[in-house]
Amino acid sequence: EIVLTQSPGTLSLSPGERATLSCRASQSVSSSYLAWYQQKPGQAPRLLIYGASSRATGIPDRFSGSGSGTDFTLSISRLEPEDFAVYYCQQYGRSFTFGPGTKVDIK
Amino acid sequence: QVTLRESGPALVKPTQTLTLTCTFSGFSLTTRGVCVSWIRQPPGKALEWLALIDWDDDKYYSTSLKTRLTISKDPSKKQVVLTMTNMDPADTATYYCARSQGSGFDPWGRGTLVTVSS
Repeated sequence: EIVLTQSPGTLSLSPGERATLSCRASQSVSSSYLAWYQQKPGQAPRLLIYGASSRATGIPDRFSGSGSGTDFTLSISRLEPEDFAVYYCQQYGRSFTFGPGTKVDIK
Repeated sequence: QVTLRESGPALVKPTQTLTLTCTFSGFSLTTRGVCVSWIRQPPGKALEWLALIDWDDDKYYSTSLKTRLTISKDPSKKQVVLTMTNMDPADTATYYCARSQGSGFDPWGRGTLVTVSS
């Protein structure tokens, strides 16, 4: 099973700042089958990024994904108030696994 | 518009079998490439994928839970059903269903909270 590790566990930032979230896989993720989700309290997760770097429909361009192999990054260029949430990475190349999440909270 | 909605009991007793239904609209589970998964999330914890069924009726299960899970579909009713046997308090979680087409899970249902307690 591919294990995903996310860092940091919590990221405290101010609106307008840039956020950089990391996701590391225990084995190479085939064909960059890596997705990122945003989850706000009491809500279901929402797909942000698939294929490591493709934005899902309706996702603002301040969200971007990069990486390949075992190292992936989600960047939020300028944090808006609605971006403070928990972010999960997921690999879907070999079965499906999620990372433990990174909480982005207001500093 | 694609929507999914989970339904099932809010409370089950330990050792009982849980049956959850995902009712969807806006897509067909007979279209090549379309799949539906079940995912759960214990309170305050991370997401855990449970099972997937695809357009061709192939089924895939979490390695750690496969002996307890069964997924099935009824395309005519636009439903996917998940059963989980021998429920335990550790299975208390919000259970979600979600569509996938090879590019992540999108969209998700709102989820249904299942509590396991005697």
